[in-house]
Amino acid sequence: NAGVTQTPKFQVLKTGQSMTLQCAQDMNHEYMSWYRQDPGMGLRLIHYSVGAGITDQGEVPNGYNVSRSTTEDFPLRLLSAAPSQTSVYFCASSYPGQNTEAFFGQGTRLTVV
Amino acid sequence: AQKITQTQPGMFVQEKEAVTLDCTYDTSDQSYGLFWYKQPSSGEMIFLIYQGSYDEQNATEGRYSLNFQKARKSANLVISASQLGDSAMYFCAMRGMDSSYKLIFGSGTRLLVRP
Repeated sequence: NAGVTQTPKFQVLKTGQSMTLQCAQDMNHEYMSWYRQDPGMGLRLIHYSVGAGITDQGEVPNGYNVSRSTTEDFPLRLLSAAPSQTSVYFCASSYPGQNTEAFFGQGTRLTVV
Repeated sequence: AQKITQTQPGMFVQEKEAVTLDCTYDTSDQSYGLFWYKQPSSGEMIFLIYQGSYDEQNATEGRYSLNFQKARKSANLVISASQLGDSAMYFCAMRGMDSSYKLIFGSGTRLLVRP
C-alpha cells in the first residue's frame, strides 16, 4: 500500500534556485493539499486541489505554484527559493469533507541556503 | 477565524499510566471535525482519532479516546496505558465548513514516556 508518496525526502537549494516537490497518491482521492511545517507553528496550508484541473490558494501561497493534471499527482513548485522557505513540506490527500481523515506523505525537509 | 490551541508544549508520563493532552478550538461553524495526529521522530503524520461536532459519544480508537466537551470547545486526547512508542509530537486539528477543506493545526504537544 503506497498511500501518499513524496519525493525527495531531503533537499538543499541555493537562494534563487527553483525546484519541484513531487506528490502522488494511489487512493483515488479527489482532494490533495500541500502544507508546510515550521517549528512551533504546526502545519499551514499552502495550496490545495479539489480535483484534476482545479487548484486554489491556501494560507501561505506566496512563492509556490501548483498544478493538478491528473487525480494522482499534485506537484509543488518553488519558483525562486528563499531562506524563508526552509521548512518541512507535507503533501496530503483525502476525500473532500469535514469528517474525512487526511493521509500524509512522509514529508520533504527543504533547506534554502 | 478558526483556531486550535494546544497549551502544553511538552509533557512527561510514566510508562503504563494514562495521559491527557489538551486541545481547545475556536470556530463559528456549526459543523466541523476534530482530529488528532501523531508525529514520531521519524517525521511522518499518523492519524489517530476523529470526532465530529454532532457526534454525541466520545470517539475511541484502541488506547486513544477523545474527551469532547462541545460547550467548552475542547477536544482532549486521552492515551491510556502509555507505551514507550507513544513518545512523539501530537497535533490537534480541525476541519470546518470552509470550501478549502483545510486542516487547522495547533502548535503541538511533545510527549515523552518515561520507562
